[in-house]
Amino acid sequence: DAGVTQSPTHLIKTRGQQVTLRCSPKSGHDTVSWYQQALGQGPQFIFQYYEEEERQRGNFPDRFSGHQFPNYSSELNVNALLLGDSALYLCASSLRQGLAKNIQYFGAGTRLSVL
Amino acid sequence: AQSVAQPEDQVNVAEGNPLTVKCTYSVSGNPYLFWYVQYPNRGLQFLLKYITGDNLVKGSYGFEAEFNKSQTSFHLKKPSALVSDSALYFCAVRDKIYNQGGKLIFGQGTELSVKP
Repeated sequence: DAGVTQSPTHLIKTRGQQVTLRCSPKSGHDTVSWYQQALGQGPQFIFQYYEEEERQRGNFPDRFSGHQFPNYSSELNVNALLLGDSALYLCASSLRQGLAKNIQYFGAGTRLSVL
Repeated sequence: AQSVAQPEDQVNVAEGNPLTVKCTYSVSGNPYLFWYVQYPNRGLQFLLKYITGDNLVKGSYGFEAEFNKSQTSFHLKKPSALVSDSALYFCAVRDKIYNQGGKLIFGQGTELSVKP
């Protein structure tokens, strides 16, 4: 049973560019959440997707957008990259219903460096 | 607003000794609390959760946590530490504004170092 997979593992971009990160949830999971983890910090919630719609959003600007596909996979897009966007981006999947609905399982993350 | 605090940036323990990683929380109503562990260059691994029930929660890899409502704490414990337990530990609370799903709010993390 594959866990949460993210691609790519590392990415280097320059200021002003755009980036797309991808996430495949754990088998059977229908909800995907994205987090940003800056160096030395705890993860910060970006947004959550369920049924292909953004259901909850953290304190991030509109430059951060996302999408969920019918197969529950998800993308995170960041436009007009800033140096401060350099971080580890984590995807987490979970179940909307059932006994395990409160547990979010994380992927290994995508390390984004903005130069 | 809901929040968690991890008062110690780093905890040092000798192998074989008991370990405790501290977490306090601030929530309205009953909290949903979690512990995750992060190894270098890896994502977060779920250790255990408290939703309701017994105050002592058992999790993966021999870890347990004690929920204390009066002290608003949820400390992570292990009776005998291993060198392989050395990692970054995060306490989190689930946002309950929404009835389902809900974001996790994380503490700043505690670096656990277990020496042989």
